[in-house]
Formats: sequence, structure tokens, C-alpha cells
Amino acid sequence: GNSVTQMEGPVTLSEEAFLTINCTYTATGYPSLFWYVQYPGEGLQLLLKATKADDKGSNKGFEATYRKETTSFHLEKGSVQVSDSAVYFCALGPQGSGGYNKLIFGAGTRLAVHP
Amino acid sequence: GAVVSQHPSRVICKSGTSVKIECRSLDFQATTMFWYRQFPKQSLMLMATSNEGSKATYEQGVEKDKFLINHASLTLSTLTVTSAHPEDSSFYICSALDRGKNIQYFGAGTRLSVL
Repeated sequence: GNSVTQMEGPVTLSEEAFLTINCTYTATGYPSLFWYVQYPGEGLQLLLKATKADDKGSNKGFEATYRKETTSFHLEKGSVQVSDSAVYFCALGPQGSGGYNKLIFGAGTRLAVHP
Repeated sequence: GAVVSQHPSRVICKSGTSVKIECRSLDFQATTMFWYRQFPKQSLMLMATSNEGSKATYEQGVEKDKFLINHASLTLSTLTVTSAHPEDSSFYICSALDRGKNIQYFGAGTRLSVL
């Protein structure tokens, strides 16, 4: 069945460091891929998405590229800030689900950025 | 600000009692809402899809009689955990689908502890 695997946290970085959070998936067909972020005490927010192979999603300095050959959607940011401290979830929307329905989530990766 | 309100944020109850969790869309009408459950250090697991004016669609392995879902209006879905037991202790998260924007907005979650 469909599944998402992301790297375990916590990830602890100093401000302005480079960030990579790995995400790989298992799915049939051509799923849509998402990154959500959850700040303390808030709900999950859509950070970025990609709906087909080689698409690059980007938002707020974060980027992720849909790599079908490696079934990956790694999240990157060139220079993190303290305000980026949050939990990041990789998610998959199965093909034919409309993209946003029936999302399958990874376990989440907690990022802590220190000044 | 939040577009989906989930209440309560935390509840502690005795074994055998029932607990109701509310999920409200604040800025849009949501004909479809979703209920997820998250165990510590694990993925969000979709429990059911709540459709306004009709019966919820439950995922395989989720007990319909244990987790009652009511979506009686375009802005409110409720999840009732009936005869709760310690194994029902978990983090429950709702989301509402804004079909106009094709975006799923999430509540902040409810932490249920059954003693």
C-alpha cells in the first residue's frame, strides 16, 4: 500500500545553517506530494506541494523536488531561522484522490533552530 | 488566524465515559472534513471522511460504533469517542476541505487521555 517515510528527528541546527529533511514514498501511479508544517499550538499548514514528476514546490525559502526515479521529496532550505522551528510532515495524496483528499502522512520531523 | 477551530485542545476522562470533539470551519463552508489520529512518534492516520448530510466513510480497521462522526452542518463536524478506554488515548486532528481553493485546513488537535 501507499506509505511515506521521513527522517526521524529532532533536527537541531544553528541559525543560517542548511536544512535537509528526507522524505521517501511508496505509491502506485503518480501521487501528489506535500510538505506541511505545524508550529507550536497550531494546526498543520500546507508549506508546499508538487503534483507531477520533476515539479519543484517552493515557499518561504523552502524547496522540494518530486523525484520519481528515487521516489523522494526531500525538503531543503538554504538558511534556516529560529522562526522555522516546528514539526514538518511529508504527505502523499494518492493518484485519483484529487490531491488533497485522503492524505497519507509521514511521522513528522521536529526542527529546532538555535540563535 | 486559524481557519479551522478544534475543541477541546485537551481532555482527560475516566474509562467508560464518552468524549465529544468539535471541528469547525471558520471562514468557509466545508462539505468534507477529515478525522485523523496520531500516536506518539507515528504518522497521522486517517480515521474517516466526514461528509455533510450523509454518513461518514471510515477507513479499514476503524470501529464505526466506537468513533461516531456527525457532520450536521456545513461548518461543524463532531467526533464522539464512545465508552473510551485507555487504548483510545491519542492525539486526534481534524481537517476541513475548502473545495474552492482545493486546500485542506487543519485544526490544532485534541489530546485525549483516558484514565
